[in-house]
Amino acid sequence: EVQLVESGGGLVQPGRSMKLSCAASGFTFSDYYMAWVRQAPKKGLEWVASISYEGSSTYYGDSVKGRFTISRDNAKSTLYLQMNSLRSEDTATYYCARQGPGTTYYFDYWGQGVMVTVSS
Amino acid sequence: QIMLTQQAESLWISPGERVSITCRASQSLLYTDGKHYLSWYQQRPGQTTKALIYHASVRTDGVPTRFIGSGSGTEFTLSIEHVQPEDFAIYYCLQTLKSPYTFGAGTKLELK
Repeated sequence: EVQLVESGGGLVQPGRSMKLSCAASGFTFSDYYMAWVRQAPKKGLEWVASISYEGSSTYYGDSVKGRFTISRDNAKSTLYLQMNSLRSEDTATYYCARQGPGTTYYFDYWGQGVMVTVSS
Repeated sequence: QIMLTQQAESLWISPGERVSITCRASQSLLYTDGKHYLSWYQQRPGQTTKALIYHASVRTDGVPTRFIGSGSGTEFTLSIEHVQPEDFAIYYCLQTLKSPYTFGAGTKLELK
């Protein structure tokens, strides 16, 4: 059974940093692109970033480019999101998602999410 | 970036009815491989987000046949036939043709 479990969220002050993790199990982690998607309170979904199989290629949404870094450790089956220079508008639930096989390019499995609150 | 418009914020229906949710893209989502990079997702409180449809019309594993994806170019529809109580949720479309990937604003199915 595919499982994605996010951790590392919480309350952080504006301008500070935070690192999220996503532990994956139930599949061969290195065979899939992975992604982060977020959802601000009472708002819709927003794609944040994606990463290729070995981590050599990364892609970012415009609102986080230059501040967030997606990475992965295939030996640990873990996805990361390093978030720097956090702003109040980054307050959201962050979801880890697996991108579907091959060139399907959809998010076939999602985690339960972890809440990040940026506030002084 | 490609914008996705889900016209209806909410739709009120009764169980057993048929409903269609539309998603309009600001440019064609057709790639040179002949596939449309448009997918649909369901969000229910307390559950993980569920993928329903990819490539505009392909149901994901285990999704009931009452969920039907259709459309081409810039106009796409998710139809649900004989709506069940568990179908009352929020539905999002997503384009993955070009980065940045973008979601529609969501359509909430509500009980009439």
